[in-house]
Amino acid sequence: ETGVTQTPRHLVMGMTNKKSLKCEQHLGHNAMYWYKQSAKKPLELMFVYSLEERVENNSVPSRFSPECPNSSHLFLHLHTLQPEDSALYLCASSQDLEGPTRELFFGEGSRLTVL
Amino acid sequence: GQNIDQPTEMTATEGAIVQINCTYQTSGFNGLFWYQQHAGEAPTFLSYNVLDGLEEKGRFSSFLSRSKGYSYLLLKELQMKDSASYLCASMDSNYQLIWGAGTKLIIKP
Repeated sequence: ETGVTQTPRHLVMGMTNKKSLKCEQHLGHNAMYWYKQSAKKPLELMFVYSLEERVENNSVPSRFSPECPNSSHLFLHLHTLQPEDSALYLCASSQDLEGPTRELFFGEGSRLTVL
Repeated sequence: GQNIDQPTEMTATEGAIVQINCTYQTSGFNGLFWYQQHAGEAPTFLSYNVLDGLEEKGRFSSFLSRSKGYSYLLLKELQMKDSASYLCASMDSNYQLIWGAGTKLIIKP
């Protein structure tokens, strides 16, 4: 139990569907992140939020839309995805954006399959 | 460009010692992290080094040489539960984490 909870754990969707991934952190952290993890590839940072403000968007296609309604919750809205978007999507939080307090606490991920 | 290199896969024997190497090239440096990730689970923090030298935490130790752009994770008295992927990540001058692709460690009885 890392203090970061992601739902759903598994999701299968067609290319025309709209779905959302949810992340909740119970650690009182100020920063939250979405990462994409594909087999045998480095973690890809998608979005960063600090105190509910988006501070980074790493050239992510617009079919991925993040939302951070408060410092404890983070969503990733998905629409018209492609099969190559199939991956493990990891949410993480950290106390701050800088320094050793940037230790990341990860959720267990949402395994997404796009048919 | 920024880059992290670590071996794709390693195999070791239960009870033995294994060293997982990581070399990094980043724009500036604000520390190096190691994470452990069991299959189907969340990555979990193992260590953070920002100064040269060896830091020991029980069976696990992490070493850093800033001049060589090099780190390693040393696992002693290997147990079957140590079978996992080990992720190396360097933090650059903008506090961005640059990740390696991970090293899958297989422990055999």
